Amino acid sequence: GAVVSQHPSWVICKSGTSVKIECRSLDFQATTMFWYRQFPKQSLMLMATSNEGSKATYEQGVEKDKFLINHASLTLSTLTVTSAHPEDSSFYICSANNRLAESTDTQYFGPGTRLTVL
Amino acid sequence: GIQVEQSPPDLILQEGANSTLRCNFSDSVNNLQWFHQNPWGQLINLFYIPSGTKQNGRLSATTVATERYSLLYISSSQTTDSGVYFCAVESGGGADGLTFGKGTHLIIQP
Repeated sequence: GAVVSQHPSWVICKSGTSVKIECRSLDFQATTMFWYRQFPKQSLMLMATSNEGSKATYEQGVEKDKFLINHASLTLSTLTVTSAHPEDSSFYICSANNRLAESTDTQYFGPGTRLTVL
Repeated sequence: GIQVEQSPPDLILQEGANSTLRCNFSDSVNNLQWFHQNPWGQLINLFYIPSGTKQNGRLSATTVATERYSLLYISSSQTTDSGVYFCAVESGGGADGLTFGKGTHLIIQP
Protein backbone atom coordinates (compact mmCIF):
# COMPACT_ATOMS: atom_id res chain seq x y z
CA GLY A 1 0.00 0.00 0.00
CA ALA A 2 0.82 3.74 -0.11
CA VAL A 3 2.30 3.76 -3.60
CA VAL A 4 3.13 7.01 -5.37
CA SER A 5 3.82 7.15 -9.09
CA GLN A 6 5.26 9.85 -11.32
CA HIS A 7 5.09 10.42 -15.03
CA PRO A 8 7.21 10.78 -17.03
CA SER A 9 10.23 9.14 -15.45
CA TRP A 10 12.52 11.21 -17.63
CA VAL A 11 12.09 14.03 -20.14
CA ILE A 12 14.36 16.00 -22.44
CA CYS A 13 13.11 19.32 -23.77
CA LYS A 14 14.36 22.39 -25.57
CA SER A 15 15.02 25.62 -23.75
CA GLY A 16 11.92 27.80 -23.60
CA THR A 17 9.36 25.00 -23.65
CA SER A 18 7.12 23.91 -20.77
CA VAL A 19 7.08 20.49 -19.18
CA LYS A 20 4.35 18.93 -17.04
CA ILE A 21 5.12 16.26 -14.44
CA GLU A 22 2.33 14.20 -12.85
CA CYS A 23 2.33 12.75 -9.36
CA ARG A 24 -0.34 10.21 -8.44
CA SER A 25 -1.20 8.39 -5.24
CA LEU A 26 -2.26 4.99 -6.55
CA ASP A 27 -3.93 3.32 -3.59
CA PHE A 28 -4.76 6.14 -1.20
CA GLN A 29 -6.12 9.65 -1.15
CA ALA A 30 -3.67 12.42 -0.42
CA THR A 31 -4.91 15.76 0.83
CA THR A 32 -1.35 17.05 0.74
CA MET A 33 1.42 16.36 -1.73
CA PHE A 34 4.94 17.75 -1.75
CA TRP A 35 7.39 18.56 -4.52
CA TYR A 36 11.16 18.31 -4.07
CA ARG A 37 14.14 18.96 -6.30
CA GLN A 38 17.48 17.20 -6.18
CA PHE A 39 20.57 18.38 -8.04
CA PRO A 40 23.37 15.86 -8.77
CA LYS A 41 25.16 14.60 -5.66
CA GLN A 42 23.09 16.89 -3.45
CA SER A 43 20.24 16.42 -1.03
CA LEU A 44 16.54 16.92 -1.64
CA MET A 45 15.13 20.41 -1.25
CA LEU A 46 11.44 21.08 -0.67
CA MET A 47 9.99 23.28 -3.40
CA ALA A 48 6.32 23.50 -2.50
CA THR A 49 3.44 22.00 -0.59
CA SER A 50 0.36 21.18 -2.64
CA ASN A 51 -3.04 21.03 -0.97
CA GLU A 52 -6.04 19.58 -2.77
CA GLY A 53 -8.37 22.29 -3.95
CA SER A 54 -6.25 25.23 -2.87
CA LYS A 55 -3.17 27.15 -3.93
CA ALA A 56 0.23 25.65 -3.36
CA THR A 57 2.61 27.03 -0.75
CA TYR A 58 6.07 27.70 -2.14
CA GLU A 59 9.35 27.67 -0.26
CA GLN A 60 11.44 30.78 -0.17
CA GLY A 61 13.38 31.26 -3.39
CA VAL A 62 11.10 29.08 -5.53
CA GLU A 63 9.37 31.06 -8.29
CA LYS A 64 5.67 30.24 -8.24
CA ASP A 65 5.15 31.59 -11.77
CA LYS A 66 7.85 29.30 -13.10
CA PHE A 67 6.84 26.15 -11.21
CA LEU A 68 3.07 25.89 -11.53
CA ILE A 69 1.44 23.38 -9.21
CA ASN A 70 -2.09 22.08 -9.50
CA HIS A 71 -3.72 19.63 -7.07
CA ALA A 72 -7.17 19.19 -8.54
CA SER A 73 -8.01 15.83 -7.00
CA LEU A 74 -7.09 13.72 -3.97
CA THR A 75 -4.91 11.47 -6.13
CA LEU A 76 -3.21 13.81 -8.57
CA SER A 77 -0.85 16.76 -8.36
CA THR A 78 0.97 18.25 -11.33
CA LEU A 79 4.10 20.37 -11.57
CA THR A 80 4.60 22.40 -14.72
CA VAL A 81 8.01 23.88 -15.37
CA THR A 82 7.28 26.88 -17.59
CA SER A 83 9.80 28.29 -20.06
CA ALA A 84 12.38 25.78 -18.95
CA HIS A 85 16.07 26.67 -19.09
CA PRO A 86 19.18 24.49 -18.66
CA GLU A 87 19.51 25.53 -15.00
CA ASP A 88 16.10 23.89 -14.36
CA SER A 89 17.60 20.51 -15.26
CA SER A 90 17.22 18.41 -12.14
CA PHE A 91 15.58 15.39 -10.53
CA TYR A 92 12.04 16.26 -9.40
CA ILE A 93 10.44 14.04 -6.78
CA CYS A 94 6.98 14.18 -5.28
CA SER A 95 5.66 12.72 -2.05
CA ALA A 96 2.37 12.33 -0.24
CA ASN A 97 1.18 11.31 3.17
CA ASN A 98 -1.80 9.13 3.92
CA ARG A 99 -3.19 11.13 6.82
CA LEU A 100 -6.77 10.24 5.94
CA ALA A 101 -6.07 6.60 6.76
CA GLU A 102 -2.89 6.50 8.85
CA SER A 103 -2.12 7.75 12.31
CA THR A 104 1.40 8.77 11.29
CA ASP A 105 2.74 11.50 9.01
CA THR A 106 4.88 9.09 7.00
CA GLN A 107 5.66 10.53 3.58
CA TYR A 108 5.72 8.18 0.60
CA PHE A 109 7.86 9.18 -2.35
CA GLY A 110 7.43 8.75 -6.06
CA PRO A 111 10.24 7.39 -8.23
CA GLY A 112 11.19 10.85 -9.50
CA THR A 113 11.35 12.57 -12.88
CA ARG A 114 14.69 13.46 -14.42
CA LEU A 115 14.40 16.67 -16.45
CA THR A 116 17.08 17.68 -18.92
CA VAL A 117 16.73 21.04 -20.67
CA LEU A 118 18.90 21.51 -23.74
CA GLY B 1 14.28 26.60 9.91
CA ILE B 2 15.32 23.30 11.39
CA GLN B 3 18.84 22.06 10.68
CA VAL B 4 19.69 18.42 9.99
CA GLU B 5 23.23 17.09 10.09
CA GLN B 6 24.23 13.60 9.10
CA SER B 7 27.49 11.82 9.80
CA PRO B 8 29.67 10.44 8.47
CA PRO B 9 29.29 11.89 4.95
CA ASP B 10 31.03 8.87 3.44
CA LEU B 11 31.56 5.35 4.73
CA ILE B 12 33.34 2.44 3.09
CA LEU B 13 33.01 -1.00 4.67
CA GLN B 14 33.66 -4.61 3.86
CA GLU B 15 30.76 -6.96 3.35
CA GLY B 16 29.62 -8.40 6.68
CA ALA B 17 30.59 -5.36 8.74
CA ASN B 18 28.20 -3.38 10.92
CA SER B 19 27.65 0.37 10.62
CA THR B 20 26.05 3.22 12.52
CA LEU B 21 24.77 6.34 10.79
CA ARG B 22 23.90 9.41 12.83
CA CYS B 23 21.39 12.23 12.34
CA ASN B 24 21.36 15.33 14.55
CA PHE B 25 18.56 17.86 14.37
CA SER B 26 18.23 21.32 15.84
CA ASP B 27 14.62 21.38 17.08
CA SER B 28 11.85 19.10 18.26
CA VAL B 29 10.27 17.06 15.48
CA ASN B 30 6.89 15.56 14.66
CA ASN B 31 8.27 13.33 11.94
CA LEU B 32 11.64 11.70 11.34
CA GLN B 33 12.19 9.28 8.51
CA TRP B 34 15.20 7.34 7.27
CA PHE B 35 15.49 6.62 3.56
CA HIS B 36 17.78 4.66 1.27
CA GLN B 37 18.14 6.20 -2.18
CA ASN B 38 18.87 3.56 -4.76
CA PRO B 39 21.03 4.14 -7.87
CA TRP B 40 17.93 5.05 -9.90
CA GLY B 41 16.98 7.77 -7.44
CA GLN B 42 14.04 6.06 -5.77
CA LEU B 43 13.73 6.85 -2.09
CA ILE B 44 13.00 3.70 -0.13
CA ASN B 45 11.26 4.22 3.20
CA LEU B 46 13.26 2.51 5.93
CA PHE B 47 11.74 3.87 9.13
CA TYR B 48 9.24 6.40 10.40
CA ILE B 49 10.71 7.04 13.82
CA PRO B 50 10.14 10.41 15.54
CA SER B 51 10.97 8.65 18.83
CA GLY B 52 11.80 5.22 20.18
CA THR B 53 13.39 2.18 18.60
CA LYS B 54 12.36 0.03 15.67
CA GLN B 55 13.87 -2.96 13.92
CA ASN B 56 13.34 -4.44 10.49
CA GLY B 57 15.58 -7.37 9.67
CA ARG B 58 19.21 -6.28 9.61
CA LEU B 59 18.26 -2.64 10.06
CA SER B 60 17.27 -0.88 13.22
CA ALA B 61 16.85 2.73 14.24
CA THR B 62 16.69 4.67 17.46
CA THR B 63 15.59 8.26 17.97
CA VAL B 64 16.25 10.06 21.24
CA ALA B 65 13.96 13.02 20.76
CA THR B 66 14.98 14.79 23.98
CA GLU B 67 18.60 14.83 22.82
CA ARG B 68 17.71 15.53 19.19
CA TYR B 69 19.45 12.70 17.42
CA SER B 70 18.66 9.49 15.60
CA LEU B 71 20.82 6.50 14.75
CA LEU B 72 20.46 3.98 11.95
CA TYR B 73 22.18 0.63 12.46
CA ILE B 74 22.98 -1.73 9.62
CA SER B 75 24.24 -5.16 10.63
CA SER B 76 25.98 -7.76 8.49
CA SER B 77 26.24 -5.34 5.55
CA GLN B 78 25.66 -6.60 2.03
CA THR B 79 26.75 -5.01 -1.25
CA THR B 80 23.10 -4.23 -1.98
CA ASP B 81 23.11 -1.93 1.06
CA SER B 82 25.32 0.50 -0.88
CA GLY B 83 23.82 3.86 -1.69
CA VAL B 84 22.92 7.11 -0.01
CA TYR B 85 21.06 7.13 3.29
CA PHE B 86 19.03 10.21 4.14
CA CYS B 87 17.52 11.36 7.39
CA ALA B 88 14.62 13.80 7.02
CA VAL B 89 12.57 15.62 9.62
CA GLU B 90 9.45 17.72 9.92
CA SER B 91 8.93 20.07 12.83
CA GLY B 92 5.59 21.66 12.07
CA GLY B 93 2.09 20.37 12.65
CA GLY B 94 2.43 17.26 10.53
CA ALA B 95 1.37 18.76 7.22
CA ASP B 96 4.71 20.29 6.32
CA GLY B 97 7.37 19.07 3.96
CA LEU B 98 10.50 17.29 5.12
CA THR B 99 13.90 18.86 5.67
CA PHE B 100 16.61 16.49 4.53
CA GLY B 101 20.15 16.04 5.75
CA LYS B 102 22.96 15.85 3.22
CA GLY B 103 23.07 12.08 3.46
CA THR B 104 25.64 9.39 4.15
CA HIS B 105 27.14 7.74 1.09
CA LEU B 106 27.71 4.10 2.02
CA ILE B 107 29.83 1.77 -0.08
CA ILE B 108 29.94 -1.92 0.82
CA GLN B 109 32.82 -3.71 -0.81
CA PRO B 110 32.71 -7.48 -1.49
